Amino acid sequence: NAGVMQNPRHLVRRRGQEARLRCSPMKGHSHVYWYRQLPEEGLKFMVYLQKENIIDESGMPKERFSAEFPKEGPSILRIQQVVRGDSAAYFCASSPVRGNTEAFFGQGTRLTVV
Amino acid sequence: DQQVKQNSPSLSVQEGRISILNCDYTNSMFDYFLWYKKYPAEGPTFLISISSIKDKNEDGRFTVFLNKSAKHLSLHIVPSQPGDSAVYFCAARLNAGNMLTFGGGTRLMVKP
Repeated sequence: NAGVMQNPRHLVRRRGQEARLRCSPMKGHSHVYWYRQLPEEGLKFMVYLQKENIIDESGMPKERFSAEFPKEGPSILRIQQVVRGDSAAYFCASSPVRGNTEAFFGQGTRLTVV
Repeated sequence: DQQVKQNSPSLSVQEGRISILNCDYTNSMFDYFLWYKKYPAEGPTFLISISSIKDKNEDGRFTVFLNKSAKHLSLHIVPSQPGDSAVYFCAARLNAGNMLTFGGGTRLMVKP
């Protein structure tokens, strides 16, 4: 896990607020993946980004969710108008090359919607 | 439709014995399989992987076996240690694609 930094570790939001989750990949990694883990379930793919580009967002809900990975700075997963069902652990992973053969995960952000 | 399944939610093993964690999949187009270990409040840590062209890969105490005809893979940990107690996820990649599909996890408890 060393190197992939996610913040905050814990985030509490009231229904209707916005949540912003940040991920700084390992040094030298330009590929970032976001996954969501609901309670008692496995991780589910959400989106794959390279610098300034969304490559695959097939796992993203159609509304309220967006992601970016700007040229400078961390990748951001943004959830607008949060609902209770958004409560989950959100994990970011990074890799130096495309293909996911050894993606390194961050410690996750646990989002609680109250 | 769950393409990767770990049918045992939990497994308890005595220290020093072998732990065998199982994983089944349905999609024959998966080309790469990985095992991750996860402690509470931490992210998954990569353990070991195997390409679909192989049937075995070994790394220290960890060995992964792949049976393509049965669409089944297993992780063997020998000998098991109390520090191995964690949730283990198997994951599969589709055709060098962009995402991993995870199983639901198996909680391993190694008793001293």
